[in-house]
Amino acid sequence: NAGVTQTPKFQVLKTGQSMTLQCAQDMNHEYMSWYRQDPGMGLRLIHYSVGAGITDQGEVPNGYNVSRSTTEDFPLRLLSAAPSQTSVYFCASSYSFETSPQETQYFGPGTRLLVL
Amino acid sequence: SQQGEEDPQALSIQEGENATMNCSYKTSINNLQWYRQNSGRGLVHLILIRSNEREKHSGRLRVTLDTSKKSSSLLITASRAADTASYFCATVFQGAQKLVFGQGTRLTINP
Repeated sequence: NAGVTQTPKFQVLKTGQSMTLQCAQDMNHEYMSWYRQDPGMGLRLIHYSVGAGITDQGEVPNGYNVSRSTTEDFPLRLLSAAPSQTSVYFCASSYSFETSPQETQYFGPGTRLLVL
Repeated sequence: SQQGEEDPQALSIQEGENATMNCSYKTSINNLQWYRQNSGRGLVHLILIRSNEREKHSGRLRVTLDTSKKSSSLLITASRAADTASYFCATVFQGAQKLVFGQGTRLTINP
């Protein structure tokens, strides 16, 4: 299993540009989520999904869109990039948010985004 | 904010010593998890403790949970240089389907 994969590893955008950060998992996990991590800080939840076709907002959803058309993929879209969105973005997945002991989150390696 | 608060923010100890990190939170939880992040990498799950558990062990890790004080601690015994990393607590609040992270403790083990 490849686990959780994220592409690209690094991206530079200009203010106002749009892009999609890709996240895929091959573990048949129901639950997927996106976090951003700013220097010296913990992770803040952007959006999450409990299954295909179901998404919900986290703590900091503004400026980001998500969709979940398949179990495997959970892309994060920046509609109009702003310098405040410069961050490291992590995707995570787990089997379920309901059943013990399956709440362990598996994280991808991250995407570093710089918005100029 | 529902984020857990971690204490201390940074900890530097000598190899072989024990390291203790604390996490406090504000509302009732289903479970609390600890993760490790090596510099520039993704997070790795260490241990999960449920709200009805008081203590769990995994190798050199010991986690305690005190729901009356809304706090948890992570103890790493006999620390090694490879334990140098940031450690985060994360909580699943009752009725929620999301994991909320604290700001982390940066642990440095000096040889």
